[in-house]
Amino acid sequence: KNEVEQSPQNLTAQEGEFITINCSYSVGISALHWLQQHPGGGIVSLFMLSSGKKKHGRLIATINIQEKHSSLHITASHPRDSAVYICAVAPFGNEKLTFGTGTRLTIIP
Amino acid sequence: KAGVTQTPRYLIKTRGQQVTLSCSPISGHRSVSWYQQTPGQGLQFLFEYFSETQRNKGNFPGRFSGRQFSNSRSEMNVSTLELGDSALYLCASSLFLGSSYEQYFGPGTRLTVT
Repeated sequence: KNEVEQSPQNLTAQEGEFITINCSYSVGISALHWLQQHPGGGIVSLFMLSSGKKKHGRLIATINIQEKHSSLHITASHPRDSAVYICAVAPFGNEKLTFGTGTRLTIIP
Repeated sequence: KAGVTQTPRYLIKTRGQQVTLSCSPISGHRSVSWYQQTPGQGLQFLFEYFSETQRNKGNFPGRFSGRQFSNSRSEMNVSTLELGDSALYLCASSLFLGSSYEQYFGPGTRLTVT
């Protein structure tokens, strides 16, 4: 079993829909990262969470440490949000990130 | 403040050659981590350097090595290249925030081995 599980693996939605991507992990962590990667592109760090909730524009990330679960939400989705979203966890006192396999999001105009 | 820079951005090598990739972290960041991304294995941790010392190492063969200089710039080297080494190599610099690290990723170097 992978230490970091993401769901769904693929998600296609219409422009304007509310999007939720989930991440579950099995180890104790000091932080969880949400990353975005556009096709053929590099990786952009969206959020780093250790508790609670963070919001940046149309993106919201939440984490429940007790349940070892995090969600990434996109409100009013847009075709430019089409990308792979990757969840990564950092074990306590360690920068060695472990990554999920990613969620490929496609937003149709 | 400038972000993490990686050079070169693209590279084509042949089997058996060796390659050196460079990463310049964000000014003031002393930790640099390297990751490999392949279609089959996804993102995997290679190693991490802090103050010129390797602090963590992933499960990669000895052909993969790295170092960090006194100005925090880091290089990774892959010797005797294999076709399977074709990948996107990402560097991230880290800032310690007291209880966790915030990692900033560079754009990556896309290596193709033919």
